[in-house]
Amino acid sequence: ELKVEQNPLFLSMQEGKNYTIYCNYSTTSDRLYWYRQDPGKSLESLFVLLSNGAVKQEGRLMASLDTKARLSTLHITAAVHDLSATYFCAVDVNFGNEKLTFGTGTRLTIIP
Amino acid sequence: DTGVSQDPRHKITKRGQNVTFRCDPISEHNRLYWYRQTLGQGPEFLTYFQNEAQLEKSRLLSDRFSAERPKGSFSTLEIQRTEQGDSAMYLCASSSYRDSYNEQFFGPGTRLTVL
Repeated sequence: ELKVEQNPLFLSMQEGKNYTIYCNYSTTSDRLYWYRQDPGKSLESLFVLLSNGAVKQEGRLMASLDTKARLSTLHITAAVHDLSATYFCAVDVNFGNEKLTFGTGTRLTIIP
Repeated sequence: DTGVSQDPRHKITKRGQNVTFRCDPISEHNRLYWYRQTLGQGPEFLTYFQNEAQLEKSRLLSDRFSAERPKGSFSTLEIQRTEQGDSAMYLCASSSYRDSYNEQFFGPGTRLTVL
């Protein structure tokens, strides 16, 4: 059974600081997705990572994928309050239906 | 707005009642997924349609749950004889088979509360 683990589960950080969220998964996959969820809202797609060494950046967020280590990271640079949300990574492994298996999420709070 | 839509957004029901949710995917997407999310957890896969065919169901989907996508467009998820443990956010997502990857776009969800 595929397991996807994120750490930390909770992260409180000051504005302007840098931090990294980690996503580990238990089986071979070269497709990893990052989503953002605001309280009471649905999921917004942030990044799609499709191969080993893939790196995507959007604003203050940068995501990378190491398929050999089965690890993805989401790096936050110079955090701002608007980035406060819960971040999920998700993996799909079954070619044919590509259902997503999600991590437990990282709840990020940016303190002014 | 051409995103995924879901109706209703909120549903409060009494235990034992039946409820039905609707999902309208992005129009050109032929894949449709249902997920369930409980408080503090990530979404969990329930079922998947490609066009009108239901191709996979999770073991989370007990026989009280049924989903349809009659014409390969909108989908419904019905829960019969609701239980308090069914309280959750039910999320629908859609994607396009033509993509080389399967980026799924989520609707706003239906929050179910079973009293």
